[in-house]
Amino acid sequence: AQKITQTQPGMFVQEKEAVTLDCTYDTSDQSYGLFWYKQPSSGEMIFLIYQGSYDEQNATEGRYSLNFQKARKSANLVISASQLGDSAMYFCAMRELYNTDKLIFGTGTRLQVFP
Amino acid sequence: GAGVSQSPRYKVAKRGQDVALRCDPISGHVSLFWYQQALGQGPEFLTYFQNEAQLDKSGLPSDRFFAERPEGSVSTLKIQRTQQEDSAVYLCASSKRGGYNEQFFGPGTRLTVL
Repeated sequence: AQKITQTQPGMFVQEKEAVTLDCTYDTSDQSYGLFWYKQPSSGEMIFLIYQGSYDEQNATEGRYSLNFQKARKSANLVISASQLGDSAMYFCAMRELYNTDKLIFGTGTRLQVFP
Repeated sequence: GAGVSQSPRYKVAKRGQDVALRCDPISGHVSLFWYQQALGQGPEFLTYFQNEAQLDKSGLPSDRFFAERPEGSVSTLKIQRTQQEDSAVYLCASSKRGGYNEQFFGPGTRLTVL
């Protein structure tokens, strides 16, 4: 069965530093996609970055990059040059592309950026 | 705006009451999803529509939960005879059809059942 594991309930990082949020996944499918979403206190889920299982390069979107290690089934999010506005919950999610369109989410990591 | 909208944003219901939650997806998005997010947890899938067809309702927790999207645009999630365990944030998301497309989420409806 599909499963996403985020083992860090909370993380602290100083402004302008980089931080890595961990995500491991479990699937028996060969074709899948991995997503990271940010959820500020306002509650809306904001899409950050996507990695396909067949993508050979790690995905990058501005200050966000995804450290994809397929053999280890990990998809860690790296945020560079943290900003105070990055303080939020971060969710890793997976979708099996030829099974169902639904996303399976982890339990999230609360990131707090301090000055 | 051009994003996914949901109404109401907050709903308080007495136990046993029926509620209806509305979702307006992004125009032209074929796929529509409902998720339930309990406090301190990640969202959990409830149901999925492709246009007006409900293709997956495996996540609906009981037959008190019902969703529809009759014209392939606006969707309504209805909960009958609400129970305290139904208290959660209900998130709606839409996307272009399938593949690698990300889901765009609405702000959610926070349901509190007293």
